[in-house]
Amino acid sequence: GDSVTQMEGPVTLSEEAFLTINCTYTATGYPSLFWYVQYPGEGLQLLLKATKADDKGSNKGFEATYRKETTSFHLEKGSVQVSDSAVYFCALSEPAGGTSYGKLTFGQGTILTVHP
Amino acid sequence: DTAVSQTPKYLVTQMGNDKSIKCEQNLGHDTMYWYKQDSKKFLKIMFSYNNKELIINETVPNRFSPKSPDKAHLNLHINSLELGDSAVYFCASSPRAPETQYFGPGTRLLVL
Repeated sequence: GDSVTQMEGPVTLSEEAFLTINCTYTATGYPSLFWYVQYPGEGLQLLLKATKADDKGSNKGFEATYRKETTSFHLEKGSVQVSDSAVYFCALSEPAGGTSYGKLTFGQGTILTVHP
Repeated sequence: DTAVSQTPKYLVTQMGNDKSIKCEQNLGHDTMYWYKQDSKKFLKIMFSYNNKELIINETVPNRFSPKSPDKAHLNLHINSLELGDSAVYFCASSPRAPETQYFGPGTRLLVL
């Protein structure tokens, strides 16, 4: 079945540091890929997404590129802020017509803490 | 203006009780989902409904029963609550599978 693997956390950075959170996936077809963010005590919010190979999703300074050859969707940000402290989830969803009916398969989440 | 809302936000109850969590979306979406987040933050799909029809039913104990009275609502009823049911339950909706899902704020269930 489908699966998503994220780098182990937690990740602790100083403000303005460069961030990479690795994400690789296993899927039978050509899934859509997502990064969701969960701020403390809140629900999940979509951060960015990519629906086909070589697409780059970007939002709020975060970027991730859909790499089919390496089955990866690594999240990057050039300069993190204290307000970026949250849990980040990589997820995939199979394309329309599949038997998973759009369910999201999540990675285990990576806790990011940014210090001033 | 809340897109996906859940009630209650917190639920503390005793083992053996029966409880319900309600979810409503005002986005006009066709598909709704329930996810469970455990204490290690791991998220897993439980159920999905499309236009009031059950389309995903993962390996979930029979004590959990979803109900969709209309396409804007998806409720979750849990019978005979157990300690292991303690978790955060998230409702989500999407225009149609497999488009972007919008999540509610979560219901934090604690079973004592």
